[in-house]
Amino acid sequence: DGGITQSPKYLFRKEGQNVTLSCEQNLNHDAMYWYRQDPGQGLRLIYYSQIVNDFQKGDIAEGYSVSREKKESFPLTVTSAQKNPTAFYLCASSIPSGLTDTQYFGPGTRLTVL
Amino acid sequence: EDQVTQSPEALRLQEGESSSLNCSYTVSGLRGLFWYRQDPGKGPEFLFTLYSAGEEKEKERLKATLTKKESFLHITAPKPEDSATYLCAGTGGSYIPTFGRGTSLIVHP
Repeated sequence: DGGITQSPKYLFRKEGQNVTLSCEQNLNHDAMYWYRQDPGQGLRLIYYSQIVNDFQKGDIAEGYSVSREKKESFPLTVTSAQKNPTAFYLCASSIPSGLTDTQYFGPGTRLTVL
Repeated sequence: EDQVTQSPEALRLQEGESSSLNCSYTVSGLRGLFWYRQDPGKGPEFLFTLYSAGEEKEKERLKATLTKKESFLHITAPKPEDSATYLCAGTGGSYIPTFGRGTSLIVHP
């Protein structure tokens, strides 16, 4: 079945640690996105990538980094510079500039700082 | 700046009590208006894409409509399993969607 997978489902981080969240898709979509979701807030865009080896900052990129070495993969690293990383992280993919820009989401990773 | 505002923030219904969720938007050059359903602790599930004013789409008890300023998600005779948060998003010329904060729907049996 085609879809988006995220791992791990739950992740715990100690102060000062970098952690990496995985996102893989087999939908053959060109574009991939990372969002952060906090209670009572809408989805906030962290980074997005429309093609391999290229990515752009979203609204809240500070303290995060990404890479896009393969079409299928878009890992997100939460660095120690992110002061309030506890949140629910969502990865999405889409076919930009096509007949539809519909984004499809993965199941999410819940990150908690200890 | 593109904006999407959803109302109400929370809605409680009795089973069978029909209602509507509102999504007001100011998105420059709207390319698409999206509705998603999100269950607690899970990723959003795609429901509908609407492209132009006057368009309507239906799926089971849900019907989405679009005008030039807002979109409605009508829920007919809801069941407890329709309880979820419903998200609205609009995409304009940047191809990056702007999301609303969602409406939390609880349907009581």
